[in-house]
Amino acid sequence: GAVVSQHPSWVICKSGTSVKIECRSLDFQATTMFWYRQFPKQSLMLMATSNEGSKATYEQGVEKDKFLINHASLTLSTLTVTSAHPEDSSFYICSGGATNEQFFGPGTRLTVL
Amino acid sequence: DAKTTQPPSMDCAEGRAANLPCNHSTISGNEYVYWYRQIHSQGPQYIIHGLKNNETNEMASLIITEDRKSSTLILPHATLRDTAVYYCIVLNTGGFKTIFGAGTRLFVKA
Repeated sequence: GAVVSQHPSWVICKSGTSVKIECRSLDFQATTMFWYRQFPKQSLMLMATSNEGSKATYEQGVEKDKFLINHASLTLSTLTVTSAHPEDSSFYICSGGATNEQFFGPGTRLTVL
Repeated sequence: DAKTTQPPSMDCAEGRAANLPCNHSTISGNEYVYWYRQIHSQGPQYIIHGLKNNETNEMASLIITEDRKSSTLILPHATLRDTAVYYCIVLNTGGFKTIFGAGTRLFVKA
């Protein structure tokens, strides 16, 4: 199947700093990518839909000014957590669709101290 | 909200078949049934999907009832590595916008 990578796989940062997470589709082009957040022992929560060349569509309750999403090419989407706080500590997962399947990245674990 | 209902957890003996049920009574005609699983601290992994016919691949079988209101994922010979959370999702492949429910936590025991 197709491969989606994320970088970094884990990151620790100080409160108030910004963190950028990259999501790449390695062997397919993804017009649309999705960003999820997952807290311990909970399911994945969809944060936003990232569309190549246009603004992202955010789910209700997700702050668009805090979670900046850029989808500049068909193979790269980025999520920037701005002014991160400890409550933003979570597992962030991206995905991209191809043919009849959606492929998920391995996730990025963010810890904000 | 998720459109599926799954039991929160199930146990299975190693080597035996694991049968994971899913109810999706409000599924519409153009929606597929997808199954993913998530092993601890990893991204979800695609398992199988179907529209109305039963499907089988190297990982699992998917049995969909004739009225399409429920389905069962079958892992024919469960191993310890199959311990994971299994998500049943209904999805219109035109958009791929996937909403996850709580899933079923499968424990495969030796």
